[in-house]
Amino acid sequence: AQKVTQAQTEISVVEKEDVTLDCVYETRDTTYYLFWYKQPPSGELVFLIRRNSFDEQNEISGRYSWNFQKSTSSFNFTITASQVVDSAVYFCALSAQAGTALIFGKGTTLSVSS
Amino acid sequence: DTGVSQDPRHKITKRGQNVTFRCDPISEHNRLYWYRQTLGQGPEFLTYFQNEAQLEKSRLLSDRFSAERPKGSFSTLEIQRTEQGDSAMYLCASSLGLFGGTGELFFGEGSRLTVL
Repeated sequence: AQKVTQAQTEISVVEKEDVTLDCVYETRDTTYYLFWYKQPPSGELVFLIRRNSFDEQNEISGRYSWNFQKSTSSFNFTITASQVVDSAVYFCALSAQAGTALIFGKGTTLSVSS
Repeated sequence: DTGVSQDPRHKITKRGQNVTFRCDPISEHNRLYWYRQTLGQGPEFLTYFQNEAQLEKSRLLSDRFSAERPKGSFSTLEIQRTEQGDSAMYLCASSLGLFGGTGELFFGEGSRLTVL
């Protein structure tokens, strides 16, 4: 069975702080895909990143970076120099192969205050 | 607008009534998904289609729920004899499948159901 755990329910930071959102996953598949989505207060889920199980390279996109470690089954997300606009619920998700259903974690609510 | 669209955006109904939601995916996407999201939870998978074929259904999808995608384009999700526990946001998403896709789902804004 596949499972995604986001142990942090809520995180509050002050602007310009760095923050890391944790994601731990479980799967028996050797090939799988990991995702992060953002759900701002408006409600629509926005895709942030996709990673396949064969690519453990970390990725950086602007203020966002992702750390994928198969040894610990983790796919953590770091926001550097957080901004108020980063306030949202962030979901980590897992799928067995491209195009199949995503299994989501329960999400981490990030609140960034000015 | 070429994104995923859902209709209606909000639906209030009385317990026992039937409701139907419609989803129009991104036109070139062959896969379409339905999810349900309740307050404070992540989206829960309900079912998905590749073209008109329903490939997978979650155990969450009781017999009162039925989904169709008759021509491989838009999809409908019907809930019969609604119960208060059905109150949730119903999310539709689409993607390109195995061939040509990278797996990310593109979500609509959702249809919020309130059962009184």
